Amino acid sequence: AQKITQTQPGMFVQEKEAVTLDCTYDTSDPSYGLFWYKQPSSGEMIFLIYQGSYDQQNATEGRYSLNFQKARKSANLVISASQLGDSAMYFCAMREPQGGKLIFGQGTELSVKP
Amino acid sequence: NAGVTQTPKFRVLKTGQSMTLLCAQDMNHEYMYWYRQDPGMGLRLIHYSVGEGTTAKGEVPDGYNVSRLKKQNFLLGLESAAPSQTSVYFCASSYSFSNTEAFFGQGTRLTVV
Repeated sequence: AQKITQTQPGMFVQEKEAVTLDCTYDTSDPSYGLFWYKQPSSGEMIFLIYQGSYDQQNATEGRYSLNFQKARKSANLVISASQLGDSAMYFCAMREPQGGKLIFGQGTELSVKP
Repeated sequence: NAGVTQTPKFRVLKTGQSMTLLCAQDMNHEYMYWYRQDPGMGLRLIHYSVGEGTTAKGEVPDGYNVSRLKKQNFLLGLESAAPSQTSVYFCASSYSFSNTEAFFGQGTRLTVV
């Protein structure tokens, strides 16, 4: 069965430093997609980055990159040069194309300190 | 484009009352999802649909029913509300391609007293 685990309930990072948010997953399907979303205090869900299971390279989107280690079933989000506006909840998610189910982890609350 | 719209945004129910949450999307998405968000629990999938006329159970389906009579709408029903259903509910939709992200509504804050 699909499962997503985020083991860091809360993280602190100094402004301008990089931070890694952990995500591990479990699936028996060889084809799947991994997503990261940001939820600021205002509540909306903002899509950040996507990684496909067959993608050869790690995904990058601006200051966001995804450290994809398929053998370890991990898909960690790396935020470079943290900004105060990065303070938010971050969710990792996985979708299996067969059936379309999209499930989320418990989330990590990131606080960026000035 | 409106994207994904949830109605209502806030609601207070008494235990035992029923209600329906409406999710409407104007992006012609095949997939639609209902989640609940509780502190420390992340987003948990209640039910989802991969196309008009289809629905499937998610991780926490008990106490909820859904319908997808039209492609653009996905309804979530609570037949007899319980305090344990106090939560923030999110609807999302996406294309059926695995590499496309889901778009979310603004959420519905439901309190059951």
